[in-house]
Amino acid sequence: AQSVTQLGSHVSVSEGALVLLRCNYSSSVPPYLFWYVQYPNQGLQLLLKYTSAATLVKGINGFEAEFKKSETSFHLTKPSAHMSDAAEYFCAVLTGANSKLTFGKGITLSVRP
Amino acid sequence: DAGITQSPRHKVTETGTPVTLRCHQTENHRYMYWYRQDPGHGLRLIHYSYGVKDTDKGEVSDGYSVSRSKTEDFLLTLESATSSQTSVYFCAISEPWTSESTGELFFGEGSRLTVL
Repeated sequence: AQSVTQLGSHVSVSEGALVLLRCNYSSSVPPYLFWYVQYPNQGLQLLLKYTSAATLVKGINGFEAEFKKSETSFHLTKPSAHMSDAAEYFCAVLTGANSKLTFGKGITLSVRP
Repeated sequence: DAGITQSPRHKVTETGTPVTLRCHQTENHRYMYWYRQDPGHGLRLIHYSYGVKDTDKGEVSDGYSVSRSKTEDFLLTLESATSSQTSVYFCAISEPWTSESTGELFFGEGSRLTVL
């Protein structure tokens, strides 16, 4: 069975600081991996996805993530946080057998002025 | 943005009453899903559909039923609402995972349900 672990429920950074949100996955087959962002009172939007092409994936709003098979990780980073990045972030894994996405519990990112 | 409309967006109801949430899509995507979102639990899959009249249970399906009589509509019904079903419900759509499509989900804006 596939699963996703997002350690911690809340991360706080200063504006301009590095953002690092961790995601580890468990999958018996090569996975597709996704990061979604949810702004307050909105649905989820796709930030980026890994589909077995390049291991370093660039997404919207300056975010990127690196797939590391040896570490079963897909951590999300952004070099310089902006106030508008404050939101909840979800990592998700999909394996092709049933096309169902399994989500982590989410991490709330706060950005301090 | 994907054309997904959820209705109602907000509803307050009483324990024991039936509730139906509607998801309507204009993208002609084959797959549709209902998730619930609760603090500390992330998103959990309730039911999903791989096509008209083809539905199956997710990880938290107890107390919920679904129907899909048309490609564009996916209904979620709580036959007798309970306070534990107070949540935010999200509909999502996708295409099957193929060499051309990575099966990513597109989400609606959510329906906030409060059961008193």
